[in-house]
Amino acid sequence: DSGVTQTPKHLITATGQRVTLRCSPRSGDLSVYWYQQSLDQGLQFLIQYYNGEERAKGNILERFSAQQFPDLHSELNLSSLELGDSALYFCASSVGYPGKDTQYFGPGTRLTVL
Amino acid sequence: LAKTTQPISMDSYEGQEVNITCSHNNIATNDYITWYQQFPSQGPRFIIQGYKTKVTNEVASLFIPADRKSSTLSLPRVSLSDTAVYYCLVGAQGSSNTGKLIFGQGTTLQVKP
Repeated sequence: DSGVTQTPKHLITATGQRVTLRCSPRSGDLSVYWYQQSLDQGLQFLIQYYNGEERAKGNILERFSAQQFPDLHSELNLSSLELGDSALYFCASSVGYPGKDTQYFGPGTRLTVL
Repeated sequence: LAKTTQPISMDSYEGQEVNITCSHNNIATNDYITWYQQFPSQGPRFIIQGYKTKVTNEVASLFIPADRKSSTLSLPRVSLSDTAVYYCLVGAQGSSNTGKLIFGQGTTLQVKP
């Protein structure tokens, strides 16, 4: 158990819908990262937040957005969902920024878009 | 971030030592080398990190030659539960780095009985 929690574990929805994935970092960690893992793309970095502020963007689509709240939990919002958005979405957290420190990954949310 | 190259797959048997080598010819001065392990449908798990020479912890050793253009993850006496994908990552550390991890294709290690 990494100490990072993600909800829900599974999510099944239809194309065009919007969903919200939630992540609670380890106690004391200020940085939260979101990654997407699909079969044909591997693990892709999406976005990073540090203490409530966006720090880095990766291959995140405009239909996707995220935020980190004052209590440091984070949400990833996916809208206008397409079949290709079906993937595992991982959240990771670390103590600080910059990131020499270890990232701890959550168990992931499996999103299925039908 | 430096690009890494590692074997796509490896096979081993229980009780053997496994060495997975990662090539990172364009590694920069500030780059650290980090290895993660991932089981199916689980998040990656940190194994070990190093900058130069040798690092050892309770699960693995990491060997880094003087030129740092490659590194070798060594898993002693593997068991069936070590069957997983192993990722080698190289990233710059410092005030300008965000800490985002760039994963390559990883090495799928299959341990056989």
